Amino acid sequence: DTGVSQDPRHKITKRGQNVTFRCDPISEHNRLYWYRQTLGQGPEFLTYFQNEAQLEKSRLLSDRFSAERPKGSFSTLEIQRTEQGDSAMYLCASSRDTARGSPLHFGNGTRLTVT
Amino acid sequence: QKEVEQNSGPLSVPEGAIASLNCTYSDRGSQSFFWYRQYSGKSPELIMSIYSNGDKEDGRFTAQLNKASQYVSLLIRDSQPSDSATYLCAYPAGSSNTGKLIFGQGTTLQVKP
Repeated sequence: DTGVSQDPRHKITKRGQNVTFRCDPISEHNRLYWYRQTLGQGPEFLTYFQNEAQLEKSRLLSDRFSAERPKGSFSTLEIQRTEQGDSAMYLCASSRDTARGSPLHFGNGTRLTVT
Repeated sequence: QKEVEQNSGPLSVPEGAIASLNCTYSDRGSQSFFWYRQYSGKSPELIMSIYSNGDKEDGRFTAQLNKASQYVSLLIRDSQPSDSATYLCAYPAGSSNTGKLIFGQGTTLQVKP
């Protein structure tokens, strides 16, 4: 179990630029989640994949955000035309599909700063 | 009413004391609860899961669940300065089968030597 891996760890970009983040989940986990966290707040759900299918998107996810998980393994989150309000920690998490309710295992996150 | 409510703190306790962190939630149907610890600048780390009413102990940590009162707590015995962090309470969103977790805003704990 190598854990959830995210890349890059930090990203500084200018307003209006596009950015893309990558997440590699724990290998046997079929569920993958993206969250966003700002200072002083808990993580907020953005989107969820079961294998390669994106099954839920939050209303927080504007049209500028898109996520993919093309082969049911790694995932990417792209933000187009970044705005200063997009500055946050972007967290990826994965879990097993269980009936009971499975905890999420988080990666180290990508901290985005939009200047 | 927020789905998950936590006192943001900071909660300050002396080293060696018991720290008590509390969380209330709105979804009566939820069956699973999780406590995460998050150090400043780091990602959340799972420390406890609890699925049934009562207490669950793991080392210095005890999670307590009271479904009738919609209340879950985390006790940390013999608090250490290394316990200083933000503690997040979370549970699965009830209406979907996605397994996504709803998080509180977290309580910041400061353990003073």
